Amino acid sequence: LAKTTQPISMDSYEGQEVNITCSHNNIATNDYITWYQQFPSQGPRFIIQGYKTKVTNEVASLFIPADRKSSTLSLPRVSLSDTAVYYCLVGSGGATNKLIFGTGTLLAVQP
Amino acid sequence: ETGVTQSPTHLIKTRGQQVTLRCSSQSGHNTVSWYQQALGQGPQFIFQYYREEENGRGNFPPRFSGLQFPNYSSELNVNALELDDSALYLCASSLWGQQASGLDTQYFGPGTRLTVL
Repeated sequence: LAKTTQPISMDSYEGQEVNITCSHNNIATNDYITWYQQFPSQGPRFIIQGYKTKVTNEVASLFIPADRKSSTLSLPRVSLSDTAVYYCLVGSGGATNKLIFGTGTLLAVQP
Repeated sequence: ETGVTQSPTHLIKTRGQQVTLRCSSQSGHNTVSWYQQALGQGPQFIFQYYREEENGRGNFPPRFSGLQFPNYSSELNVNALELDDSALYLCASSLWGQQASGLDTQYFGPGTRLTVL
């Protein structure tokens, strides 16, 4: 699966929009981009998945440029409860739907 | 709808012992994956079970083994525990073929915190 690079940590304030960028230069044609969120002492939780352009759900938006070598997770108007680690994953499943996690981005939201 | 549950929540063992961790899948899911998460790291894939058969394995030694039962619940067994086995063990269930991407959404349990002394 393609390797991903994302910032180790980010700080924000309540009410702001947060954009977390992930770099995946070696993404394959069949690969999708998936983001998971993990709170302390909990398992990761699926946020969003996309292949190209823009995907939006009730929680976040995912922006993927035409070359697909990077992607940006956008969280609108964050609150303190959005403080968590955010993982960017790239892959296509195949015979095994295994998830390959990096170290993620620790987002700290301040009041 | 019941989510993924794991037991026990915490466990303390000594080196050389054996441990069994348990996981109940979310209703309707037929695939279970196990991950190991060391402190400050992302989860690492151990193995996956689909319809009671192992369906892929990560870079873990044979002393890590598992089972999936007809009701799709699962066990992770670790023999000859080592200090480095101390970690949070996560179970995730999914429904095979749910996503067009082939990378099905996995629903994680809260994990079992294993400490090896």
